[in-house]
Amino acid sequence: GAVVSQHPSRVICKSGTSVKIECRSLDFQATTMFWYRQFPKKSLMLMATSNEGSKATYEQGVEKDKFLINHASLTLSTLTVTSAHPEDSSFYICSARGGGGARTYGYTFGSGTRLTVV
Amino acid sequence: DAKTTQPTSMDCAEGRAANLPCNHSTISGNEYVYWYRQIHSQGPQYIIHGLKNNETNEMASLIITEDRKSSTLILPHATLRDTAVYYCIVRVVGTGNQFYFGTGTSLTVIP
Repeated sequence: GAVVSQHPSRVICKSGTSVKIECRSLDFQATTMFWYRQFPKKSLMLMATSNEGSKATYEQGVEKDKFLINHASLTLSTLTVTSAHPEDSSFYICSARGGGGARTYGYTFGSGTRLTVV
Repeated sequence: DAKTTQPTSMDCAEGRAANLPCNHSTISGNEYVYWYRQIHSQGPQYIIHGLKNNETNEMASLIITEDRKSSTLILPHATLRDTAVYYCIVRVVGTGNQFYFGTGTSLTVIP
């Protein structure tokens, strides 16, 4: 089945630095990828939608200059948290649309990245 | 996308069927019902989806009422590994249609 790999699974960074999170579709081409963040005991919040070769579309209230998204190929999207602050500490999850069969119209999710900013 | 309403939490005895309800009274005719689950600190996992007919796969069954205003996810023989947060989502199938997650139901399977 469709597999989405997310890396790293955990990262700790210092306040003010930037962190890049990768999301790869391993066995299918992902025409569209999505980035979510999740705070403890809360639901997933959609941050942005990225389509290969075009600019990402951000949800209301999400700072596009802070959360840089690049979807340069059909198998890779990256989320860069710039000038990270402790309040950016969260669980970030990507998902990808693609693959075959009945699940084509569903989405496959990565395993998530736990970001801690100290 | 239509909003969904789910109970905050449920318990189920191990080996028994877990029935998770979802209300989606404002669902439109071209919106599907999807179920995902999220085990602690992992990404959501697809379970099942349907439009108007009942569906069954190796993981679960999905029962959608005739008026499509509600549905029930059934895990026929719950195990401890089924403890997770279950999300019911309704959305239109098509290019770029996002998944918006509600609060979900936290299911605890009790030994």
